Amino acid sequence: ILNVEQSPQSLHVQEGDSTNFTCSFPSSNFYALHWYRWETAKSPEALFVMTLNGDEKKKGRISATLNTKEGYSYLYIKGSQPEDSATYLCASIMDSNYQLIWGAGTKLIIKP
Amino acid sequence: EPEVTQTPSHQVTQMGQEVILRCVPISNHLYFYWYRQILGQKVEFLVSFYNNEISEKSEIFDDQFSVERPDGSNFTLKIRSTKLEDSAMYFCASSHRDYSYEQYFGPGTRLTVT
Repeated sequence: ILNVEQSPQSLHVQEGDSTNFTCSFPSSNFYALHWYRWETAKSPEALFVMTLNGDEKKKGRISATLNTKEGYSYLYIKGSQPEDSATYLCASIMDSNYQLIWGAGTKLIIKP
Repeated sequence: EPEVTQTPSHQVTQMGQEVILRCVPISNHLYFYWYRQILGQKVEFLVSFYNNEISEKSEIFDDQFSVERPDGSNFTLKIRSTKLEDSAMYFCASSHRDYSYEQYFGPGTRLTVT
């Protein structure tokens, strides 16, 4: 059974600090890796879609890296703000079935 | 900014009844998806739809489920005979192009089967 794992499950970070968390996914037949930000009572919001090994993407204070050979991606948040509090989900797609397989998410809580 | 909409926001139904969940994807998007999240569990892929036919479906998407794009704007998920274990939040999503593009999610329909 293919599995996408995220760690840590939850994270408390002081406002202003930087943080990062991990998404591990099957490296074989890799097609794409998605990151989403999900605030309570809202819809998941796309952050990045990454396809190339070594890819690095950035959106404001949030960035992500991708290693398809070893099957992991890191999401970084620089200078955390209270509005960054959310659950961050990653999801992997393989080219053998094109189904988005989701991790359980990392719940990030920013302490003012 | 265009967004995906879903109706109803909450549906309560009795076991064995048919339900139809409705979604209006973003108008120029070509790929459409349904996902579900059972309370406390991971989000699960159900089905993707492109060019008026199913592209991919998961093992969850059995004969009890069907999808349709009846009029070029709505995208529906039908569950023919609901079971208690179908209780979940159902999300619709759409993307401009294929699976290497960002997906835009609707607010979800919470389905409660009693």
